[in-house]
Amino acid sequence: NAGVTQTPKFRILKIGQSMTLQCTQDMNHNYMYWYRQDPGMGLKLIYYSVGAGITDKGEVPNGYNVSRSTTEDFPLRLELAAPSQTSVYFCASSYETELSNQPQHFGDGTRLSIL
Amino acid sequence: GNSVTQMEGPVTLSEEAFLTINCTYTATGYPSLFWYVQYPGEGLQLLLKATKADDKGSNKGFEATYRKETTSFHLEKGSVQVSDSAVYFCALSPSNDYKLSFGAGTTVTVRA
Repeated sequence: NAGVTQTPKFRILKIGQSMTLQCTQDMNHNYMYWYRQDPGMGLKLIYYSVGAGITDKGEVPNGYNVSRSTTEDFPLRLELAAPSQTSVYFCASSYETELSNQPQHFGDGTRLSIL
Repeated sequence: GNSVTQMEGPVTLSEEAFLTINCTYTATGYPSLFWYVQYPGEGLQLLLKATKADDKGSNKGFEATYRKETTSFHLEKGSVQVSDSAVYFCALSPSNDYKLSFGAGTTVTVRA
Protein backbone atom coordinates (compact mmCIF):
# COMPACT_ATOMS: atom_id res chain seq x y z
CA ASN A 1 0.00 0.00 0.00
CA ALA A 2 2.50 2.64 -1.13
CA GLY A 3 0.01 5.42 -2.01
CA VAL A 4 1.87 8.59 -2.98
CA THR A 5 5.67 8.32 -2.77
CA GLN A 6 7.99 11.33 -2.87
CA THR A 7 11.76 11.37 -3.17
CA PRO A 8 14.02 12.67 -1.80
CA LYS A 9 12.80 13.44 1.73
CA PHE A 10 15.42 16.12 2.32
CA ARG A 11 17.73 18.11 0.07
CA ILE A 12 20.01 21.10 0.33
CA LEU A 13 20.77 23.02 -2.85
CA LYS A 14 22.99 25.94 -3.67
CA ILE A 15 21.54 29.01 -5.37
CA GLY A 16 21.34 28.46 -9.11
CA GLN A 17 21.41 24.67 -9.00
CA SER A 18 18.63 22.59 -10.50
CA MET A 19 16.88 19.48 -9.29
CA THR A 20 13.83 17.31 -9.81
CA LEU A 21 11.48 16.27 -7.05
CA GLN A 22 10.00 12.89 -7.83
CA CYS A 23 6.41 11.84 -7.18
CA THR A 24 4.71 8.58 -8.05
CA GLN A 25 1.35 7.10 -7.10
CA ASP A 26 0.06 3.56 -7.43
CA MET A 27 -3.66 4.22 -6.99
CA ASN A 28 -4.41 4.86 -10.68
CA HIS A 29 -5.51 8.38 -9.81
CA ASN A 30 -6.10 10.66 -12.78
CA TYR A 31 -5.42 13.97 -10.99
CA MET A 32 -2.10 14.95 -9.43
CA TYR A 33 -0.93 18.11 -7.67
CA TRP A 34 2.17 19.82 -6.34
CA TYR A 35 1.97 22.12 -3.31
CA ARG A 36 4.45 24.06 -1.27
CA GLN A 37 3.98 24.58 2.44
CA ASP A 38 5.50 27.62 4.10
CA PRO A 39 5.23 28.32 7.85
CA GLY A 40 1.90 29.91 8.78
CA MET A 41 0.79 30.00 5.15
CA GLY A 42 -1.03 26.75 4.58
CA LEU A 43 -0.48 24.98 1.27
CA LYS A 44 -0.22 26.77 -2.04
CA LEU A 45 -0.84 24.96 -5.34
CA ILE A 46 2.12 25.10 -7.73
CA TYR A 47 1.00 22.93 -10.65
CA TYR A 48 -1.59 20.26 -11.28
CA SER A 49 -2.44 17.64 -13.88
CA VAL A 50 -5.78 16.13 -14.84
CA GLY A 51 -4.25 13.25 -16.76
CA ALA A 52 -1.20 12.05 -18.65
CA GLY A 53 0.04 14.70 -21.05
CA ILE A 54 -1.97 17.52 -19.45
CA THR A 55 -0.59 20.03 -16.94
CA ASP A 56 -1.65 23.47 -15.78
CA LYS A 57 -0.47 26.26 -13.50
CA GLY A 58 -1.70 26.74 -9.96
CA GLU A 59 -1.35 29.78 -7.70
CA VAL A 60 2.47 29.94 -7.49
CA PRO A 61 4.03 28.36 -10.64
CA ASN A 62 6.95 30.73 -11.22
CA GLY A 63 10.33 29.04 -11.04
CA TYR A 64 8.94 25.52 -11.49
CA ASN A 65 8.11 23.13 -14.31
CA VAL A 66 6.27 19.83 -14.42
CA SER A 67 5.55 17.01 -16.81
CA ARG A 68 3.10 14.10 -16.79
CA SER A 69 4.20 11.44 -19.24
CA THR A 70 2.46 8.62 -17.35
CA THR A 71 -0.52 8.32 -15.03
CA GLU A 72 1.76 7.31 -12.15
CA ASP A 73 4.50 9.96 -12.25
CA PHE A 74 4.43 13.73 -11.81
CA PRO A 75 7.94 15.18 -11.31
CA LEU A 76 8.51 18.81 -10.30
CA ARG A 77 11.59 20.56 -11.62
CA LEU A 78 13.41 23.59 -10.24
CA GLU A 79 15.67 25.01 -12.94
CA LEU A 80 17.49 27.81 -11.08
CA ALA A 81 17.06 27.37 -7.35
CA ALA A 82 16.45 30.57 -5.36
CA PRO A 83 16.28 31.09 -1.57
CA SER A 84 12.56 31.89 -1.91
CA GLN A 85 12.01 28.28 -2.95
CA THR A 86 13.07 26.98 0.44
CA SER A 87 9.96 25.14 1.55
CA VAL A 88 8.34 21.78 2.13
CA TYR A 89 6.89 20.35 -1.06
CA PHE A 90 3.95 17.96 -1.12
CA CYS A 91 2.67 15.87 -3.98
CA ALA A 92 -0.95 14.70 -3.92
CA SER A 93 -3.32 12.72 -6.10
CA SER A 94 -7.05 12.12 -6.38
CA TYR A 95 -9.53 10.27 -8.51
CA GLU A 96 -11.94 12.82 -9.85
CA THR A 97 -15.22 12.21 -11.59
CA GLU A 98 -18.09 14.49 -12.50
CA LEU A 99 -20.07 13.25 -9.50
CA SER A 100 -18.26 14.65 -6.49
CA ASN A 101 -15.05 16.08 -5.10
CA GLN A 102 -12.81 13.30 -3.92
CA PRO A 103 -10.23 13.65 -1.13
CA GLN A 104 -6.64 14.17 -2.11
CA HIS A 105 -3.98 11.70 -0.95
CA PHE A 106 -0.67 13.24 0.05
CA GLY A 107 2.91 12.06 0.09
CA ASP A 108 5.15 12.61 3.12
CA GLY A 109 6.81 15.66 1.62
CA THR A 110 10.25 16.84 0.50
CA ARG A 111 12.00 19.38 2.70
CA LEU A 112 14.12 21.59 0.46
CA SER A 113 16.61 24.24 1.59
CA ILE A 114 18.29 26.64 -0.83
CA LEU A 115 21.47 28.21 0.53
CA GLY B 1 -12.18 34.38 -4.91
CA ASN B 2 -12.25 31.38 -2.62
CA SER B 3 -10.58 31.57 0.77
CA VAL B 4 -10.46 29.82 4.12
CA THR B 5 -9.76 31.45 7.47
CA GLN B 6 -9.03 29.34 10.51
CA MET B 7 -8.16 30.25 14.07
CA GLU B 8 -4.54 30.92 14.73
CA GLY B 9 -2.56 28.68 16.97
CA PRO B 10 -0.75 27.27 18.56
CA VAL B 11 -3.30 25.62 20.80
CA THR B 12 -2.12 23.73 23.88
CA LEU B 13 -4.49 21.48 25.80
CA SER B 14 -4.44 18.88 28.51
CA GLU B 15 -5.59 15.32 27.82
CA GLU B 16 -9.37 14.87 27.93
CA ALA B 17 -9.98 18.57 27.28
CA PHE B 18 -12.49 19.81 24.69
CA LEU B 19 -11.04 21.04 21.40
CA THR B 20 -12.59 23.53 18.99
CA ILE B 21 -10.86 24.94 15.92
CA ASN B 22 -12.83 27.61 14.12
CA CYS B 23 -12.97 27.71 10.33
CA THR B 24 -14.88 30.12 8.11
CA TYR B 25 -14.86 30.30 4.34
CA THR B 26 -15.63 32.53 1.40
CA ALA B 27 -16.83 30.89 -1.79
CA THR B 28 -19.55 31.12 -4.37
CA GLY B 29 -22.09 28.37 -4.73
CA TYR B 30 -21.87 25.23 -2.63
CA PRO B 31 -18.29 24.17 -1.99
CA SER B 32 -17.21 20.90 -0.41
CA LEU B 33 -15.46 21.38 2.93
CA PHE B 34 -12.64 19.31 4.41
CA TRP B 35 -10.49 18.97 7.48
CA TYR B 36 -7.03 17.53 6.92
CA VAL B 37 -4.58 16.55 9.67
CA GLN B 38 -0.78 16.52 9.47
CA TYR B 39 1.11 14.51 12.07
CA PRO B 40 4.77 15.39 12.68
CA GLY B 41 6.99 14.47 9.75
CA GLU B 42 4.11 13.22 7.62
CA GLY B 43 1.93 14.42 4.79
CA LEU B 44 -1.67 15.54 5.13
CA GLN B 45 -4.43 13.01 5.70
CA LEU B 46 -8.12 13.54 5.22
CA LEU B 47 -9.82 13.70 8.62
CA LEU B 48 -13.40 14.37 7.56
CA LYS B 49 -15.46 16.10 4.91
CA ALA B 50 -18.93 17.48 4.18
CA THR B 51 -20.34 18.16 0.76
CA LYS B 52 -23.58 20.04 1.41
CA ALA B 53 -25.22 22.33 3.92
CA ASP B 54 -26.05 20.81 7.33
CA ASP B 55 -23.95 17.71 6.61
CA LYS B 56 -21.89 16.54 9.57
CA GLY B 57 -18.54 14.93 8.91
CA SER B 58 -17.06 12.73 11.63
CA ASN B 59 -14.01 10.55 12.16
CA LYS B 60 -11.82 9.44 15.10
CA GLY B 61 -14.05 11.34 17.56
CA PHE B 62 -13.79 14.59 15.58
CA GLU B 63 -16.86 16.29 14.15
CA ALA B 64 -17.61 19.30 11.96
CA THR B 65 -20.93 20.58 10.62
CA TYR B 66 -21.30 22.47 7.33
CA ARG B 67 -23.11 25.70 8.25
CA LYS B 68 -23.97 27.66 5.14
CA GLU B 69 -25.75 30.46 7.03
CA THR B 70 -22.57 31.29 8.94
CA THR B 71 -20.15 29.99 6.23
CA SER B 72 -18.42 27.91 8.89
CA PHE B 73 -17.04 24.40 9.37
CA HIS B 74 -15.69 24.32 12.93
CA LEU B 75 -13.83 21.22 14.09
CA GLU B 76 -14.61 19.77 17.52
CA LYS B 77 -13.53 16.85 19.69
CA GLY B 78 -14.92 16.20 23.12
CA SER B 79 -11.89 14.57 24.76
CA VAL B 80 -8.47 14.91 23.15
CA GLN B 81 -5.53 12.54 23.54
CA VAL B 82 -1.79 13.10 23.26
CA SER B 83 -1.94 11.31 19.90
CA ASP B 84 -4.16 14.14 18.55
CA SER B 85 -1.17 16.50 18.61
CA ALA B 86 -0.86 17.63 14.99
CA VAL B 87 -1.47 20.49 12.57
CA TYR B 88 -5.09 20.75 11.39
CA PHE B 89 -6.02 22.34 8.06
CA CYS B 90 -9.44 23.45 6.95
CA ALA B 91 -9.94 23.41 3.17
CA LEU B 92 -12.59 23.93 0.54
CA SER B 93 -13.17 22.75 -2.99
CA PRO B 94 -15.53 24.89 -5.10
CA SER B 95 -18.63 23.28 -6.50
CA ASN B 96 -17.37 23.60 -10.07
CA ASP B 97 -13.72 22.76 -9.39
CA TYR B 98 -11.53 20.13 -7.75
CA LYS B 99 -8.67 22.32 -6.57
CA LEU B 100 -8.35 22.84 -2.83
CA SER B 101 -7.94 26.15 -1.03
CA PHE B 102 -6.34 25.67 2.40
CA GLY B 103 -6.40 27.64 5.59
CA ALA B 104 -3.09 28.47 7.28
CA GLY B 105 -3.29 25.50 9.65
CA THR B 106 -3.64 25.31 13.43
CA THR B 107 -1.01 23.55 15.51
CA VAL B 108 -2.51 21.59 18.40
CA THR B 109 -0.40 20.18 21.23
CA VAL B 110 -1.99 17.89 23.81
CA ARG B 111 -0.11 17.38 27.07
CA ALA B 112 -0.46 14.31 29.26
